[in-house]
Amino acid sequence: GQNIDQPTEMTATEGAIVQINCTYQTSGFNGLFWYQQHAGEAPTFLSYNVLDGLEEKGRFSSFLSRSKGYSYLLLKELQMKDSASYLCAAGGYQKVTFGIGTKLQVIP
Amino acid sequence: DVKVTQSSRYLVKRTGEKVFLECVQDMDHENMFWYRQDPGLGLRLIYFSYDVKMKEKGDIPEGYSVSREKKERFSLILESASTNQTSMYLCASSQTRQGSGDTEAFFGQGTRLTVV
Repeated sequence: GQNIDQPTEMTATEGAIVQINCTYQTSGFNGLFWYQQHAGEAPTFLSYNVLDGLEEKGRFSSFLSRSKGYSYLLLKELQMKDSASYLCAAGGYQKVTFGIGTKLQVIP
Repeated sequence: DVKVTQSSRYLVKRTGEKVFLECVQDMDHENMFWYRQDPGLGLRLIYFSYDVKMKEKGDIPEGYSVSREKKERFSLILESASTNQTSMYLCASSQTRQGSGDTEAFFGQGTRLTVV
């Protein structure tokens, strides 16, 4: 079966750092995706981790531990435009399973 | 840039109608997907296809069917629309990389379907 857990909501202050956690239990796991989705829009790709460790891409970083079934997305120097939902997704062969998403609100 | 285009942004249909949602991608991707997204439930996979004329059931296929006659086009069909199928429908495509899973999925803009 597929099971992905992430917090439903988070609030953080502009300029701060926020970490969004995701745990997963899936069969045929290949890698872990993170997507950003602004209200009323389609999800857009942020990162993909296949190997254990941290991948940094500008203000966003993503971490994966395959042995623990755990990932996090780290957002630094938060901006108001970062207010969005962040979707964790476990990738398998020809199929991706999404979590329900974490709605992040950035406040001044 | 990959482009995934869904035929309608908003759609209102009556209960019992047959509804077609069309999706076209322009990057020669092998895999195409239909999801629905509902508050508190996230993205749920309805059907996917990894090749022309091939289809696989996702997590919630009941009440839906699909058609993939050409590689670039993937259609979702609601045989007899019901009010519980009111939702946001998202189409996506991706490429398969042998040995390392798939590339990221590229999404269409979504179709908000209301069944009355």
